[in-house]
Amino acid sequence: DSGVTQTPKHLITATGQRVTLRCSPRSGDLSVYWYQQSLDQGLQFLIHYYNGEERAKGNILERFSAQQFPDLHSELNLSSLELGDSALYFCASSVAVIYNEQFFGPGTRLTVL
Amino acid sequence: GQQLNQSPQSMFIQEGEDVSMNCTSSSIFNTWLWYKQDPGEGPVLLIALYKAGELTSNGRLTAQFGITRKDSFLNISASIPSDVGIYFCAGPDSNSGYALNFGKGTSLLVTP
Repeated sequence: DSGVTQTPKHLITATGQRVTLRCSPRSGDLSVYWYQQSLDQGLQFLIHYYNGEERAKGNILERFSAQQFPDLHSELNLSSLELGDSALYFCASSVAVIYNEQFFGPGTRLTVL
Repeated sequence: GQQLNQSPQSMFIQEGEDVSMNCTSSSIFNTWLWYKQDPGEGPVLLIALYKAGELTSNGRLTAQFGITRKDSFLNISASIPSDVGIYFCAGPDSNSGYALNFGKGTSLLVTP
């Protein structure tokens, strides 16, 4: 158990819908990263938050957004969902803004029908 | 981000055999990380390497940070069935807030 929690574990929804994925980092970790894992693209970085502030963006679509709250949990919002958004979504946390060891949650499997 | 190439793509071995896999990059990394992912689970950090030439062990796992800083190697000795999974190398991308760039993974299957 990495100490990172993610909910829900599974999510099935329809095209055009909007969903919210939730992540709670390890106790004491201030950085939260979101990654998407698909069969064809592998693990891809989406966005990084540190202590409530956005620090970096990766391959994140404009339909996707995220935030980190004062209690340090983070939410990833996916809107206008398309079939191709079906994937595993992971969050990872680390102690500081520049600290390379990241600890991953169990993921949310999103299926868009 | 920087491209990470892992090989082999997959391995099918017998229990008790040793395993070697590697990861190469088109650019220099200051840190190499190795993760293992079981089906339907999140990646689990196995070993972190911080210095060129460094050799670090974690039980039956040994990883090395290549001298050129463009490659890393992971060895598993005396494999057991629970070693089955996908092994990823990763390195931090300083252009993306130190998010991790991942290789495509090496899938390991171990038969009893």
